[in-house]
Amino acid sequence: GAVVSQHPSRVICKSGTSVKIECRSLDFQATTMFWYRQFPKQSLMLMATSNEGSKATYEQGVEKDKFLINHASLTLSTLTVTSAHPEDSSFYICSASGAGYDRSSYEQYFGPGTRLTVT
Amino acid sequence: QKEVEQNSGPLSVPEGAIASLNCTYSDRGSQSFFWYRQYSGKSPELIMSIYSNGDKEDGRFTAQLNKASQYVSLLIRDSQPSDSATYLCAVIGGYSSASKIIFGSGTRLSIRP
Repeated sequence: GAVVSQHPSRVICKSGTSVKIECRSLDFQATTMFWYRQFPKQSLMLMATSNEGSKATYEQGVEKDKFLINHASLTLSTLTVTSAHPEDSSFYICSASGAGYDRSSYEQYFGPGTRLTVT
Repeated sequence: QKEVEQNSGPLSVPEGAIASLNCTYSDRGSQSFFWYRQYSGKSPELIMSIYSNGDKEDGRFTAQLNKASQYVSLLIRDSQPSDSATYLCAVIGGYSSASKIIFGSGTRLSIRP
């Protein structure tokens, strides 16, 4: 399968600071990248969808000014959590699609996730 | 009604037996179906994709799709303790790689030695 990396894997930051998370598709060009958040023992929650070179589409209830997404190239998307607060502590996971041909290009491959703790 | 429904479990299966995981979806126009495995504290891993009615086999895994009944299942043969995880059913309704995946809430599978 296709490989997606995320960095950092774990980050602890103080309340009020900003944190940037990188998501890279290592062996394919990702036409679309997705950002999810997952709280303990809960389902994945889609935050936003981004296509290279265009603005991200945010899900209802997700603050676009707080969660800044940049999809600068076909292999890199970043999520910046601005002015982080303890309630933003969660497991953030990116995924990327576009690895194959035809309908296999719909398959989403997930990065390993970033565990954010805001103190 | 949720768009993708799964029994949350836990489903307990003895080692070596067949584990059967089921999923129903509400959008009759859905085109693409996936099974992901998620270990505790880790991100989901794609294990099967299926697009046409019928069965698709890959090693110990078989995905089954019945679009008329809006039903997709995953069979795991010769279950191993390492198969213990949460299995997420996922469905895409659209026709592009930008289409959103709708995930079920997952079924927790436990393989007992």
